[in-house]
Amino acid sequence: AQTVTQSQPEMSVQEAETVTLSCTYDTSESDYYLFWYKQPPSRQMILVIRQEAYKQQNATENRFSVNFQKAAKSFSLKISDSQLGDAAMYFCAYRGPSGANSKLTFGKGITLSVRP
Amino acid sequence: EPEVTQTPSHQVTQMGQEVILRCVPISNHLYFYWYRQILGQKVEFLVSFYNNEISEKSEIFDDQFSVERPDGSNFTLKIRSTKLEDSAMYFCASNLASWDNQPQHFGDGTRLSIL
Repeated sequence: AQTVTQSQPEMSVQEAETVTLSCTYDTSESDYYLFWYKQPPSRQMILVIRQEAYKQQNATENRFSVNFQKAAKSFSLKISDSQLGDAAMYFCAYRGPSGANSKLTFGKGITLSVRP
Repeated sequence: EPEVTQTPSHQVTQMGQEVILRCVPISNHLYFYWYRQILGQKVEFLVSFYNNEISEKSEIFDDQFSVERPDGSNFTLKIRSTKLEDSAMYFCASNLASWDNQPQHFGDGTRLSIL
């Protein structure tokens, strides 16, 4: 079974600084998809960024980028120029190949606080 | 941008009562999901639904749970006889296709409180 591990329960970053959130996963599949979701205090689940395992290039969305290391099964999220609105719970999620394996498996999440 | 909408935002129910949580997925989406998040814990998969039938369900999704797409727009989760441990945030999600990198779009959730 696939597992997703986020070992850091909490992190803190100074506004305008950069922070990296860690995630590792375990799978026997070679083709899969990885996601980072943000959950602010309002409890919505907002997609931040996604990465296809077959792509070697790391995904980037504005201030958010990932460091995807397939061999190490590592998928970290880097937030540059942190803003107060980035404060939230961040979940790493795995999705297997197409078809029946389309559910998301989430990590436990990490609470990010941003200091003004 | 189209959204997944869930109602109600908060539901309070007596233990043993039936509860129905409602979701309206994005209109052209084909795959639908329910997840739950017990307070302070991770988001857990409950069930996926495609072509009017369950595609996959987790161990949590026992005989007390059922899903339905009664009218082509709503997607409901029914809990037949609620227990205290059913108290959680329930998220509905949908996506256009289960393949490729189509992300699942989540609703804002329904907070279910069992008394």
